[in-house]
Amino acid sequence: QVQLVDSGGGVVQPGRSLRLSCSASGFIFTSFGMQWARQAPGKGLEWVAVIYNDGGNKYYADSVKGRFTISRDNSENTLYLQMNSLRVEDTAVYYCARAISYRGLISHFDSWGRGTLVTVSS
Amino acid sequence: DIVMTQSPVSLPVTPGEPASISCRSSQSLLHSNGHKFLNWYQQKPGQSPQLLIYLGSNRASGVPDRFSGSGSGTDFTLKISRVEAEDVGIYYCMQTLQTPYTFGQGTNLEIK
Repeated sequence: QVQLVDSGGGVVQPGRSLRLSCSASGFIFTSFGMQWARQAPGKGLEWVAVIYNDGGNKYYADSVKGRFTISRDNSENTLYLQMNSLRVEDTAVYYCARAISYRGLISHFDSWGRGTLVTVSS
Repeated sequence: DIVMTQSPVSLPVTPGEPASISCRSSQSLLHSNGHKFLNWYQQKPGQSPQLLIYLGSNRASGVPDRFSGSGSGTDFTLKISRVEAEDVGIYYCMQTLQTPYTFGQGTNLEIK
């Protein structure tokens, strides 16, 4: 069965960096796009970034553009989110999710990890 | 960016009664391929989101048939025919027509 395990969260000071990982199993990783979404404490869901299956196309939310980088290692079945210049407002649970494509377009995200908590605080 | 607006924010429902959640987009989610890039997710307390409905009206695998999705290019509805206690949680719509993908603010379904 599809399994996504998010990890790498923790407490970090503003301005510092952190890298999240999402280990995938139970499916052919190279055939699927992936995303990161986040949820601040007590708040709704916010989309962060998406990467297509070959890693060639990447898109970001304006709130993280230029600071976060999504990447993948298809040989390790792992998705990453490199987060630089972290801000207090980046505090959230970060979820990875698998993308389902329809005729070459990502249509929805069908499996989600359990999330990893990132706390940005001095 | 496409703005997604859900209503109501809070939805108290008696078990066995129907429930309906509305989601409106600031522009049409109808792609030239004929599909509507609108999805519904359920997030139960303390859990990660789970896909309920994709491409506007398709139930995800394992989702009970009491859940259904419908809608036009900008107005979408998630319906629960008979609410059960296990349906408690927050429901989100999400558009994937264009990046940045965006979510509605969520609807908190609670049992009366």
